Amino acid sequence: EPEVTQTPSHQVTQMGQEVILRCVPISNHLYFYWYRQILGQKVEFLVSFYNNEISEKSEIFDDQFSVERPDGSNFTLKIRSTKLEDSAMYFCASTDGHVNLKNTGELFFGEGSRLTVL
Amino acid sequence: DAKTTQPPSMDCAEGRAANLPCNHSTISGNEYVYWYRQIHSQGPQYIIHGLKNNETNEMASLIITEDRKSSTLILPHATLRDTAVYYCIVRVSSNFGNEKLTFGTGTRLTIIP
Repeated sequence: EPEVTQTPSHQVTQMGQEVILRCVPISNHLYFYWYRQILGQKVEFLVSFYNNEISEKSEIFDDQFSVERPDGSNFTLKIRSTKLEDSAMYFCASTDGHVNLKNTGELFFGEGSRLTVL
Repeated sequence: DAKTTQPPSMDCAEGRAANLPCNHSTISGNEYVYWYRQIHSQGPQYIIHGLKNNETNEMASLIITEDRKSSTLILPHATLRDTAVYYCIVRVSSNFGNEKLTFGTGTRLTIIP
């Protein structure tokens, strides 16, 4: 069964360093997302991406964050200068489109990348 | 998206049916009810969705009231592996296809041996 894969599974970084989290969405999917979950808290939406541009972003997704689909397969989340409060599990998700009689419209999530900022 | 209300936690005996309620009294006509679960710290996993009819798949059944203001997710024979946080999410469906999911705090379901 196709799946969303994320790397690295765990990254430890120093405050102020740049981090890139990578995702390989399911191959025929067109819509891509990043979510994050701080330990013990809700899964929070960060950004959605379609047709090589951001569709929607949350207040969390400030100028320190960026997303890119550099080569038609990878989907990356970059944090330019990490802060302690960026420590969280980051989930990538993808979907092939909206719900209809043939599609569930479900988002497929990866297993996450745990980011620890020291 | 419309807000949902779920009990924070529930227990269910192994082998019994787990019935997880959700209130979504402000749901709009073009909003679907989706259920996801998150086992430990893994990525959320789709379970089932519906618009107004009851739905069943290999994982669960979804019962939606006639006025669509509430729904119940039923896991017919709960196993220990069903211990997870279950999220009821109301999601707009449009022609754009990129509507996000907005997660609440969900119901932490514990299956008891």
